[in-house]
Amino acid sequence: DTGVSQNPRHKITKRGQNVTFRCDPISEHNRLYWYRQTLGQGPEFLTYFQNEAQLEKSRLLSDRFSAERPKGSFSTLEIQRTEQGDSAMYLCASSPGLTALRADTQYFGPGTRLTVL
Amino acid sequence: ELKVEQNPLFLSMQEGKNYTIYCNYSTTSDRLYWYRQDPGKSLESLFVLLSNGAVKQEGRLMASLDTKARLSTLHITAAVHDLSATYFCAPTSKRGSQGNLIFGKGTKLSVKP
Repeated sequence: DTGVSQNPRHKITKRGQNVTFRCDPISEHNRLYWYRQTLGQGPEFLTYFQNEAQLEKSRLLSDRFSAERPKGSFSTLEIQRTEQGDSAMYLCASSPGLTALRADTQYFGPGTRLTVL
Repeated sequence: ELKVEQNPLFLSMQEGKNYTIYCNYSTTSDRLYWYRQDPGKSLESLFVLLSNGAVKQEGRLMASLDTKARLSTLHITAAVHDLSATYFCAPTSKRGSQGNLIFGKGTKLSVKP
């Protein structure tokens, strides 16, 4: 079990460019979440997948944001036409799902820090 | 819409002292999590509280949940420097939800010798 991994760890881009981040969840975790965290704040929920189905999206996820999890394993988060306000840490988390025997704890990856110039 | 409020937002403690962090949330939730975040790092799960009256303890940290009051507490006993970090509480967004978490702003704890 290697934990949740995210790539790249850092991304600097110019305003207007598109960026894509990747998240590899813990193997066999069927739930995957994306959050965004700005300095001094707690993470804000963006979207959630159960296997390959995107089941919930936050109002924070504007039309410029899209996320996929094509085979129910890794996920990508794309931001089109980046704006300076998109600068943040983008966190991915995965969880095994709630069962009678365990709570559905989300395990977070190290994050991708995006800076939009 | 669920709102989460943590108090205090900043806490400076001396080693060996006790203190409590409070987490209030505005609407009913299935369960509540506590996470720790060190500077520049990701979040580490500490506790999950599933029912009213739940209490979990790990080392010098103890978390409790009162669902009727919509209140969770994180109690720190005999603080040590290693506990310096930011602590977040996060209830799930609504009852029966798939589990997306709503985080408080966090309590930045600094333990001084």
